[in-house]
Amino acid sequence: GQNIDQPTEMTATEGAIVQINCTYQTSGFNGLFWYQQHAGEAPTFLSYNVLDGLEEKGRFSSFLSRSKGYSYLLLKELQMKDSASYLCAVRAPSGSARQLTFGSGTQLTVLP
Amino acid sequence: DSGVTQTPKHLITATGQRVTLRCSPRSGDLSVYWYQQSLDQGLQFLIQYYNGEERAKGNILERFSAQQFPDLHSELNLSSLELGDSALYFCASSASGGPTETQYFGPGTRLLVL
Repeated sequence: GQNIDQPTEMTATEGAIVQINCTYQTSGFNGLFWYQQHAGEAPTFLSYNVLDGLEEKGRFSSFLSRSKGYSYLLLKELQMKDSASYLCAVRAPSGSARQLTFGSGTQLTVLP
Repeated sequence: DSGVTQTPKHLITATGQRVTLRCSPRSGDLSVYWYQQSLDQGLQFLIQYYNGEERAKGNILERFSAQQFPDLHSELNLSSLELGDSALYFCASSASGGPTETQYFGPGTRLLVL
């Protein structure tokens, strides 16, 4: 089975840096995704890690440690529009299936 | 805009009824996934199709079924609806060819069962 844990809520200030952690215990692993979801809208893809290390994409970076079953999403220079839910998702083991198992999401509130 | 389209955007119906949700994947994508998102359950994978064939099943109830047509659009059928089926239903698509296999989500259908 899959078990994914992330904090329920976080608050940060505009311009600051915030790190959202995700830990997972899965029966197989074939990549970890981070998605951003504004209330009532579709999740949008932010980042993908399959190997250990840091992936940087502008203001967003994502880190993975497969041995620790741990990932984080780092958001820099926070903007008000970054207020959203951030979803950590693990992809099923390799094969024909490609479904994602999502964590419950971390609701980030950015304050002025 | 992800390129994935879903209709309708909103659906209000009564318990015991049947509804059909429709999804068109991004151009060129062969794989379609259906997810259900309710307030207490988060995003739950329901079912995956690849090029017309079912590939994986998740937490999909027997009252629910889906199919993918030759033009690659997909439909999710929900029958004998219950109050607890009220949720956002998302469709996602992916190319099923590249190593990253990113899924792109449609805008969702908000279903309210009264």
